[in-house]
Amino acid sequence: NAGVTQTPKFRVLKTGQSMTLLCAQDMNHEYMYWYRQDPGMGLRLIHYSVGEGTTAKGEVPDGYNVSRLKKQNFLLGLESAAPSQTSVYFCASSYYGDTEAFFGQGTRLTVV
Amino acid sequence: GDSVTQMEGPVTLSEEAFLTINCTYTATGYPSLFWYVQYPGEGLQLLLKATKADDKGSNKGFEATYRKETTSFHLEKGSVQVSDSAVYFCALSDNNAGNMLTFGGGTRLMVKP
Repeated sequence: NAGVTQTPKFRVLKTGQSMTLLCAQDMNHEYMYWYRQDPGMGLRLIHYSVGEGTTAKGEVPDGYNVSRLKKQNFLLGLESAAPSQTSVYFCASSYYGDTEAFFGQGTRLTVV
Repeated sequence: GDSVTQMEGPVTLSEEAFLTINCTYTATGYPSLFWYVQYPGEGLQLLLKATKADDKGSNKGFEATYRKETTSFHLEKGSVQVSDSAVYFCALSDNNAGNMLTFGGGTRLMVKP
């Protein structure tokens, strides 16, 4: 069972470069989330989606864009990477907001 | 807005000691409450949940009770093991806030043999 799959697992970017992180889930979940995890900061919500074609801002959306064109995929884009975006990024999905969320393994992004 | 506050870690215990990790929350609606656990190098996984006041969630010897009067959801375990060493996150989902999942800062638990 694949569950939630994130690609890539590691990436190093130069300041100003762009990239897209892909999250795919095979559980037919409605809700999908992107979080960043920084030392001492816990998980902070970047953007989330409550269904195909919908997106909403979370706690720290600046510098990121997202798209949910297909129900199973949730893409996180960085248009112009900055060193402050160095972090571990986690994607998660759930049937609804009050049901169990399943997490991917994370993407470790370093911006130099 | 909604928020979750956890006790800061790290919490260091000897094997078989009693564990309490405090969690309090602020929410505008009637949230569901969760504890997630993160083992080294992995993503988070659900440990237990409670969806209404006075509910008790339990799993793997851990338990937490939804206390609306004190807006708390403290995690407890009677006898910890070395394998319980991990980071524990308290979280809520509020139906008045789009049901997005909001996490606390996490508490690192280290259990020594």
